[in-house]
Amino acid sequence: QKEVEQNSGPLSVPEGAIASLNCTYSDRGSQSFFWYRQYSGKSPELIMFIYSNGDKEDGRFTAQLNKASQYVSLLIRDSQPSDSATYLCAVNVSGNQFYFGTGTSLTVIP
Amino acid sequence: DAGITQSPRHKVTETGTPVTLRCHQTENHRYMYWYRQDPGHGLRLIHYSYGVKDTDKGEVSDGYSVSRSKTEDFLLTLESATSSQTSVYFCAIGGGTGGNTIYFGEGSWLTVV
Repeated sequence: QKEVEQNSGPLSVPEGAIASLNCTYSDRGSQSFFWYRQYSGKSPELIMFIYSNGDKEDGRFTAQLNKASQYVSLLIRDSQPSDSATYLCAVNVSGNQFYFGTGTSLTVIP
Repeated sequence: DAGITQSPRHKVTETGTPVTLRCHQTENHRYMYWYRQDPGHGLRLIHYSYGVKDTDKGEVSDGYSVSRSKTEDFLLTLESATSSQTSVYFCAIGGGTGGNTIYFGEGSWLTVV
């Protein structure tokens, strides 16, 4: 079983809609959780991190963490064509071990 | 920018030749990492370093070695490149105790023919 699982997509949403990206993880000892965005041919860039159960909002982005169910989600409100990218979920199991999902491809249709 | 520079950015090499990728940071961060990214596998850790001359293996370390003689430089060496090592290689810094965020360099595209 992979440490981190994501639906590879592709996920398509119309411009202005809410995009919902999901991630599950296997290690209950996981401590911190991250969402990265990666444009084609570029390196991953951090969008958000979350450590505690519940929601964390940053602009149009909301990360949600449910440790009991072992899932993390990312909501993108008012989706824009510039949000079209692959979104990577990452989990920190211990201080030095970060595990990444394979990513979900998002396309925002104008 | 997280102050990470990778070189070379693109390289084509022949099977059996040694290859060294360099990661240089200006952030004075203790932890540095090498990942490779392949379709269907995502980002996988090759090796990481937690200080000068202190390194450890990741999940896909076979065929790779690393060295860190200075805080700012972390080298990844493919002793004898194989076609299965054709990939995009990302250096990252950060992490450590507390699970702090890691930041990535721009990547090195390696093709082994």
